[in-house]
Amino acid sequence: AQSVTQLDSQVPVFEEAPVELRCNYSSSVSVYLFWYVQYPNQGLQLLLKYLSGSTLVKGINGFEAEFNKSQTSFHLRKPSVHISDTAEYFCAVRGNTGGFKTIFGAGTRLFVKA
Amino acid sequence: EADIYQTPRYLVIGTGKKITLECSQTMGHDKMYWYQQDPGMELHLIHYSYGVNSTEKGDLSSESTVSRIRTEHFPLTLESARPSHTSQYLCASTAAVPQEGYTFGSGTRLTVV
Repeated sequence: AQSVTQLDSQVPVFEEAPVELRCNYSSSVSVYLFWYVQYPNQGLQLLLKYLSGSTLVKGINGFEAEFNKSQTSFHLRKPSVHISDTAEYFCAVRGNTGGFKTIFGAGTRLFVKA
Repeated sequence: EADIYQTPRYLVIGTGKKITLECSQTMGHDKMYWYQQDPGMELHLIHYSYGVNSTEKGDLSSESTVSRIRTEHFPLTLESARPSHTSQYLCASTAAVPQEGYTFGSGTRLTVV
């Protein structure tokens, strides 16, 4: 079984400041890891994914995430945020065996202030 | 352009009415999903399908039903809408390989009055 914990429900940050959104997971099998972004009144959009190889993955809109196997974490970072980054961010894991069911975290609301 | 479409985007309907939320994708994905999401809240899986004529209930109990007669089409039906059904409904699809992420539709925001 897999589970995902997003450690912060809300993250307020000033524009041009760096931000980190934290995600921990647990799984009994190897997993693939994803971050999605949801803007108001829209569906989710894939930001980035970790499949294998380099533990630092880059995504759209200047976001990147680092996979840490020993700490079972997949934190999302951006060195300088914009007002337009205000959105809900979801971490997700998908097992690489069985029915490939995806488990989503509860989401982190990023609020960028001017 | 390959995509996933949900209609309607917004729907306000009276209690007791029957409604069908449409979801279609042009990517040939076998796996399709319906999620229920209250504003600013987590996603709850209510139905999924791994192919034609295959449907399963998700983790959250729902009074809705789904069908999958064609690969590209995965409609969700509420036989008798109630105010407790007021929510956002998101449809998603993915390829049959675990490396692929989900593609989501824009959602249907349903209000039952």
